[in-house]
Amino acid sequence: DAGVIQSPRHEVTEMGQEVTLRCKPISGHDYLFWYRQTMMRGLELLIYFNNNVPIDDSGMPEDRFSAKMPNASFSTLKIQPSEPRDSAVYFCASSSTDSYSNQPQHFGDGTRLSIL
Amino acid sequence: DAKTTQPPSMDCAEGRAANLPCNHSTISGNEYVYWYRQIHSQGPQYIIHGLKNNETNEMASLIITEDRKSSTLILPHATLRDTAVYYCIVVTDSWGKLQFGAGTQVVVTP
Repeated sequence: DAGVIQSPRHEVTEMGQEVTLRCKPISGHDYLFWYRQTMMRGLELLIYFNNNVPIDDSGMPEDRFSAKMPNASFSTLKIQPSEPRDSAVYFCASSSTDSYSNQPQHFGDGTRLSIL
Repeated sequence: DAKTTQPPSMDCAEGRAANLPCNHSTISGNEYVYWYRQIHSQGPQYIIHGLKNNETNEMASLIITEDRKSSTLILPHATLRDTAVYYCIVVTDSWGKLQFGAGTQVVVTP
């Protein structure tokens, strides 16, 4: 039973370069979330999608960040241009709806991003 | 969403039960209590959640007080692999918006 799959696991790039992080949610899940984790700020929600539609992107730090979900099995988080302060671990999570109760989010193993 | 208060750290001996407390004194009637943990270098892992009743699954038990102002996560027989940061989160939205705090760093020792 495949979980949430993120790629790459590690990314090291120079300041100013475009960075694209990828996520494949669990099949059948209709919610997808992007989080960022840093030592200073902990785990923060950046954006989430429902049925491939972005619902709330209030956590996206700047216009340099963008996220897309072209279909139910794939999402990207792009940073252009990247800056050293974007260095963090980025997590993708997915969940399914249930009319009777909240459903837990399932997280990928994250992408560790270093901007030099 | 109601905020939670957890101790920053706690130690537990391998094989013993680990009891992790969480205060959520401002919780509302429709808010769930969720527990996640994060093992070093991995993504957060769902453990258990509950509304009013105590819950048990293959990983842990969740005890919620009658007034719902606090809860305890119980790991019945801690192993070294249970060393992780444990997060107690109160969730309102139907889609389960998670606001992670600092959590409790649990260290299981031999």
